[in-house]
Amino acid sequence: GENVEQHPSTLSVQEGDSAVIKCTYSDSASNYFPWYKQELGKRPQLIIDIRSNVGEKKDQRIAVTLNKTAKHFSLHITETQPEDSAVYFCAASTSDYKLSFGAGTTVTVRA
Amino acid sequence: NAGVTQTPKFQVLKTGQSMTLQCAQDMNHEYMSWYRQDPGMGLRLIHYSVGAGITDQGEVPNGYNVSRSTTEDFPLRLLSAAPSQTSVYFCATLRGSTEAFFGQGTRLTVV
Repeated sequence: GENVEQHPSTLSVQEGDSAVIKCTYSDSASNYFPWYKQELGKRPQLIIDIRSNVGEKKDQRIAVTLNKTAKHFSLHITETQPEDSAVYFCAASTSDYKLSFGAGTTVTVRA
Repeated sequence: NAGVTQTPKFQVLKTGQSMTLQCAQDMNHEYMSWYRQDPGMGLRLIHYSVGAGITDQGEVPNGYNVSRSTTEDFPLRLLSAAPSQTSVYFCATLRGSTEAFFGQGTRLTVV
């Protein structure tokens, strides 16, 4: 099955700086790569996703890049704000609808 | 439109007891799944269903049973609770092959 590795496990950034989280996947058939944000005590919620036919996607301060050859994808958050503090999960799936998640990155934005 | 509803939110069980975690959705999504979330391990797939009457095992199915008699409901049964099943459980639906919608989670403690 798919194996998704996520780094780093924790990330502390100064407010206004950028944050980058990286994930690698093992199954070359994976074609969908979402990112979820989970605030403390809440459910995970989708913040951005990318498909294998696209190399980069942006939505305001967040962007995701995908390198299919190297089988890795990354989340970039610019101009971080305190409300960006949360746990972020990457995931990968093939067309069989099974999402495989990374272990998560706890992001702390220091004021 | 409630989305994905899980009950209960909290539960304490004694070792060996059985119980059912309930999950109901009103989004008419065919795909439903159960994940467990443990510190440092992300979200791991327990069981999933691609439609009424169809279920399959995920990554960590041992000790859990599921059934899908209707599109709306996907209960998860713990047959004989063990301390290793202490976790936060999330039910999720999938819109097509893309966005996952999570319930609010059930925090289960087995003593």
